Amino acid sequence: QVTLKESGPVLVKPTETLTLTCTVSGFSLTNPRMGVSWIRQPPGKALEWLAHIFSNDEKSYSTSLKSRLTISKDTSKSQVILTMTNMDPVDTATYYCARIERPGGVFINWFDPWGQGTLVTVSS
Amino acid sequence: DIQMTQSPSSLSASVGDRVTITCRASQSISSYLNWYQQKPGKAPKLLIYVAISLQSGVPSRFSGSGSGTDFTLTISSLQPEDFATYYCQQSYITPYTFGQGTKLEMK
Repeated sequence: QVTLKESGPVLVKPTETLTLTCTVSGFSLTNPRMGVSWIRQPPGKALEWLAHIFSNDEKSYSTSLKSRLTISKDTSKSQVILTMTNMDPVDTATYYCARIERPGGVFINWFDPWGQGTLVTVSS
Repeated sequence: DIQMTQSPSSLSASVGDRVTITCRASQSISSYLNWYQQKPGKAPKLLIYVAISLQSGVPSRFSGSGSGTDFTLTISSLQPEDFATYYCQQSYITPYTFGQGTKLEMK
């Protein structure tokens, strides 16, 4: 059974750096056909893709947040880490990690399954 | 970035109705379009991938169609558990982008 679980602080102050960890089980971060994405959702709003990482260390970031995001992985711990600098109240959201399946070609991919999400509130 | 636009933003329907949700991409994305269902307080769930392929375990009343810039998600006969918010997402190119969501409510 494939599962992902997000962990990190529930409250951060403006200007602080957020560090979130996604711990996966049921698949390996060394599998070339799978990666992990981070996606967020402000309360009552739509989903926003943030970043992804694959086994070969291929990384990609949201255009608008690229300067603030860093994604990395610790294969030995089955963890993917996302850091976001200079947090602002508008970054208040539920942050999800999700497995990306990429079974054939760069274009054919989807997010499944997703973690339960973790709500991060940015407030002083 | 590719913009994804869903319509309608909300929809009221009854059990047994046939429902169609539309998703339009700002440029051609071939068939690289996925659909997700999200219920309140829960993570999204994959329904359809590559525009037409039904994810394992998803009821056959769900179907997807389209290519290029225009796509649809159809529920052939609404069931009580289908009232949720639906999102499309393009996987053609990063940054991956989602539609704004369609909230399906009970009439």
